Amino acid sequence: GQSLEQPSEVTAVEGAIVQINCTYQTSGFYGLSWYQQHDGGAPTFLSYNALDGLEETGRFSSFLSRSDSYGYLLLQELQMKDSASYFCAVRDRGSGTYKYIFGTGTRLKVLA
Amino acid sequence: DGGITQSPKYLFRKEGQNVTLSCEQNLNHDAMYWYRQDPGQGLRLIYYSQIVNDFQKGDIAEGYSVSREKKESFPLTVTSAQKNPTAFYLCASSAEMGGTEAFFGQGTRLTVV
Repeated sequence: GQSLEQPSEVTAVEGAIVQINCTYQTSGFYGLSWYQQHDGGAPTFLSYNALDGLEETGRFSSFLSRSDSYGYLLLQELQMKDSASYFCAVRDRGSGTYKYIFGTGTRLKVLA
Repeated sequence: DGGITQSPKYLFRKEGQNVTLSCEQNLNHDAMYWYRQDPGQGLRLIYYSQIVNDFQKGDIAEGYSVSREKKESFPLTVTSAQKNPTAFYLCASSAEMGGTEAFFGQGTRLTVV
């Protein structure tokens, strides 16, 4: 079967660094994306990793290890506005068509 | 500004009634998607369309129907056959099917009473 696992909730203080992990099991893996969603809002794209390694975009970085079927999102210098849910999503082509498979999301709470 | 628009933001319907959720995009994207989001769960794919006049069932298509008569529009109908329709519905688009970046609408929260 196909599955993605990520922690349900993470709490950190303002200014800290937090890492949100994602492990996956899919049949046709092509890449791993991360999306941010504030309560009641639209998910917004943060990053995409197709190859192993670290991608950095400002305060956010994303890492992928294809051999370990594992990735993470790293948020640095946390701000209150970072409180949101974060979803990992696999870009999969197991059925012959590219699709996204989403994890259940990690709710990040940033404390003052 | 380019984007993807869903309407309405909140929708209430009586049980047994069909209801249609609107999704419009002006990004010139070929691919469009409908997802359902329930509390504590990820996004589950209902239907997707790779190109105009084409659409395919996703993982939870039962009780839903769609059309793609125009590139810009991908409406979703929640029929009375859907046993548990109360949910948050998200429409998304990407330049091509399964493109590396998907753009989402603001969602429609449907409540069936």
